[in-house]
Amino acid sequence: RKEVEQDPGPFNVPEGATVAFNCTYSNSASQSFFWYRQDCRKEPKLLMSVYSSGNEDGRFTAQLNRASQYISLLIRDSKLSDSATYLCVPHTGRRALTFGSGTRLQVQP
Amino acid sequence: NAGVMQNPRHLVRRRGQEARLRCSPMKGHSHVYWYRQLPEEGLKFMVYLQKENIIDESGMPKERFSAEFPKEGPSILRIQQVVRGDSAAYFCASSPTSGTGVGAFFGQGTRLTVV
Repeated sequence: RKEVEQDPGPFNVPEGATVAFNCTYSNSASQSFFWYRQDCRKEPKLLMSVYSSGNEDGRFTAQLNRASQYISLLIRDSKLSDSATYLCVPHTGRRALTFGSGTRLQVQP
Repeated sequence: NAGVMQNPRHLVRRRGQEARLRCSPMKGHSHVYWYRQLPEEGLKFMVYLQKENIIDESGMPKERFSAEFPKEGPSILRIQQVVRGDSAAYFCASSPTSGTGVGAFFGQGTRLTVV
């Protein structure tokens, strides 16, 4: 089983839409969770950490469900600049971060 | 505070030559990770280093590839006798600790083209 599973998409949404991504992870020992975004041919950038209580940063909301081993990211009021690949990254500590292939989002005018 | 610095940004090598990729972590970061990304594919972990130590090299090919992170100076990823299949983007990331709760920050990558 893959360490991280995400729907590869692409998710094509109009500007202003709300879009949600889910991700499941296999290692129950994971202790930290992150969402990264990667633009085409660029480096991944840390978008936000994900806490057990859920957290929000502007238009972005992240949730963690440890029992079901899934993480979600909600983007409200999508902008053209949100078009990117979103990578869910669980971390067990003492190891490098493991990245899946991510979910591609395309926001259309 | 400068971010993770990688150089060169672009590197062209002929088959059989050596490629040396350098990575200077963010100030205060002592953990370095190298990843490889082929076009249209995800990031593949290669190696995790701390100063003067290799912590995890489980993603590193057994031959031709080596990595170091000396006490002084940048981390180096070295590829000997490059082949066309080595053409990829190589990203370096750094973090201040290995512990949980802290993400890693990436450099802009080195794009290696083997001709």
